[in-house]
Amino acid sequence: EAQVTQNPRYLITVTGKKLTVTCSQNMNHEYMSWYRQDPGLGLRQIYYSMNVEVTDKGDVPEGYKVSRKEKRNFPLILESPSPNQTSLYFCATRAFSGQGPYEQYFGPGTRLTVT
Amino acid sequence: SQQGEEDPQALSIQEGENATMNCSYKTSINNLQWYRQNSGRGLVHLILIRSNEREKHSGRLRVTLDTSKKSSSLLITASRAADTASYFCAFINTGGFKTIFGAGTRLFVKA
Repeated sequence: EAQVTQNPRYLITVTGKKLTVTCSQNMNHEYMSWYRQDPGLGLRQIYYSMNVEVTDKGDVPEGYKVSRKEKRNFPLILESPSPNQTSLYFCATRAFSGQGPYEQYFGPGTRLTVT
Repeated sequence: SQQGEEDPQALSIQEGENATMNCSYKTSINNLQWYRQNSGRGLVHLILIRSNEREKHSGRLRVTLDTSKKSSSLLITASRAADTASYFCAFINTGGFKTIFGAGTRLFVKA
């Protein structure tokens, strides 16, 4: 079964305590991406990766880091979380080529609260 | 910001009625997609329309795209209570790398 998994699903943490949200996919997709969702703002892209060791910034990369050492995994790292990073985070994947397909598959989300 | 804009922000209709949502964007696009999200869950892909297409159908869904106006609409016909969800448009820039989402339309279908 095609799957995108995220862990943890829920996390409450304190300001400044480093954390990692993991994302894993079993579809052998080249493209992986992280989004944050905030009320009234839709989804905003944080970082994306077009393949192993190839990453680039989305629209809101400040305060986040990513790595892509393996094709199936794309962790999101918050080195020093702040309350404005409280949000719902989604990982998504798709196959990547200039002609598509462009359909993205989303993970179940990680609800992060930073106090 | 390159973010897409959607209207209305919220829509409440009776079961059986049609629901129309609109999306506008500012950049050049390769394609435009519509996604559905149930209450805080992951998004599910509904339909994609390419920049050289004007209209596309899938079941009760009809999507139009007007590249001259940089806008798209999603029509859900004969709505059902189970259609209650948030709907987002998303477009991929011409490089095919970035995906930009609209702010979403919350649809509530009353039984």
